[in-house]
Amino acid sequence: NAGVMQNPRHLVRRRGQEARLRCSPMKGHSHVYWYRQLPEEGLKFMVYLQKENIIDESGMPKERFSAEFPKEGPSILRIQQVVRGDSAAYFCASSDRTGVSEAFFGQGTRLTVV
Amino acid sequence: AQSVSQHNHHVILSEAASLELGCNYSYGGTVNLFWYVQYPGQHLQLLLKYFSGDPLVKGIKGFEAEFIKSKFSFNLRKPSVQWSDTAEYFCAVNARANQGGKLIFGQGTELSVKP
Repeated sequence: NAGVMQNPRHLVRRRGQEARLRCSPMKGHSHVYWYRQLPEEGLKFMVYLQKENIIDESGMPKERFSAEFPKEGPSILRIQQVVRGDSAAYFCASSDRTGVSEAFFGQGTRLTVV
Repeated sequence: AQSVSQHNHHVILSEAASLELGCNYSYGGTVNLFWYVQYPGQHLQLLLKYFSGDPLVKGIKGFEAEFIKSKFSFNLRKPSVQWSDTAEYFCAVNARANQGGKLIFGQGTELSVKP
C-alpha cells in the first residue's frame, strides 16, 4: 500500500528555469493539497485540488505558479522562471474525502534554485 | 484570518523528562486539530487528531493532547521523552467551515532529546 509519492526528492534549477514537481496520491484518494515549507518556517498551504478541478488556490502566488490534477496521472505543481526565493521544501498531501478527514503527506521535494 | 501559534521554537530535554508543547489557534468556529511529527529527512506523520468528543486525545508513541476550547489551545504532552523523539513537531488546524481538508500549520517546534 504505497503512500503519497512525490518526485523528484531533490531538484536543482537555475534562475529562470522551470520546475515541475509531481505528486501521486495514495490509492483511492482524489483530494490533493500542496504546501510549501520555507527555511525556518512552518508549512504554508498553497492549493487544494480534486480530480480536474482547483478547489482552493488562495495560497498560491499570483504569478509563475500553477497546479493541476488531471483525470489520469499525478498532480503537478509547476513553477515558471524560478527565483532564489522559491527554494523550499514542497509537500503534497492527499485524502480520500473532503471535510473531516486525515491527510497523508509525501516525503516532499526539496527545490534549490541556484 | 486563521492562524496557529507554537510558542516554543526549540526545546531541549534530557531523556525521561516530561514534555509539553504549546499550541494556540485563532478561529471562532468549529475546528479539527492535529499534531504532526517530522523526523529528520522524513515526511510528516500524524501523531494524533481531535475532531470531537473527549478533549483528551491519545496518539501514537505515548503522546497525548488536550483541547481546551476556552483557551483555543491544543497542547501536546508526553510524560517521559526518549532520544528517538528528537524531531520537529507541528500543530495544525482545519476550520470545518473551510473547503476540504486545508490545514493551517504553526511554525513548528524543534525538539532535541539528549541521551
